[in-house]
Amino acid sequence: DGGITQSPKYLFRKEGQNVTLSCEQNLNHDAMYWYRQDPGQGLRLIYYSQIVNDFQKGDIAEGYSVSREKKESFPLTVTSAQKNPTAFYLCASSSRQGSNYGYTFGSGTRLTVV
Amino acid sequence: GQNIDQPTEMTATEGAIVQINCTYQTSGFNGLFWYQQHAGEAPTFLSYNVLDGLEEKGRFSSFLSRSKGYSYLLLKELQMKDSASYLCAGMDSNYQLIWGAGTKLIIKP
Repeated sequence: DGGITQSPKYLFRKEGQNVTLSCEQNLNHDAMYWYRQDPGQGLRLIYYSQIVNDFQKGDIAEGYSVSREKKESFPLTVTSAQKNPTAFYLCASSSRQGSNYGYTFGSGTRLTVV
Repeated sequence: GQNIDQPTEMTATEGAIVQINCTYQTSGFNGLFWYQQHAGEAPTFLSYNVLDGLEEKGRFSSFLSRSKGYSYLLLKELQMKDSASYLCAGMDSNYQLIWGAGTKLIIKP
């Protein structure tokens, strides 16, 4: 079955440490997105990519970095410059031409700073 | 600018009907989406409207008025499992979803 896989499900980061969240899709979708969600709040866009080897900053890109070397993969690195990284991170993908199913989401990664 | 507005929280009784409203303003328009999100989980797709009118899918229906920039999600015969957040999102001319903050729906017995 096609879908999006995020790993790990839970991640703990020490102060000053970089961590990378994985996102892989086998839906043949062109566009991929990373969102951050804080408790009781909506989705905030970190980065998005509409095509391989290209990506754009979203609303809260500071302290994060991404790469899109393959169509299937869009990893997110939370750097030490992100001062408040504890949150729920969601990866999503969509057909570039849009569809009546919108975005497909991974199951999320919950990141906690210890 | 682009903006999606929806109520922060609503409360309803099991077995009743509830309507969650959403107003939107997007750069171009390629449809209005509703997603359901249970606590700690990823959003899941509920409905999509691109033309005016009502789309019915079982206990859930969604309505769109493009001239008013308005949509609602109607949930009938509420069940306890419907307790969740409901996210309204408009798709802009670049096929990107602009998200509302979500409406937390609390179902009481």
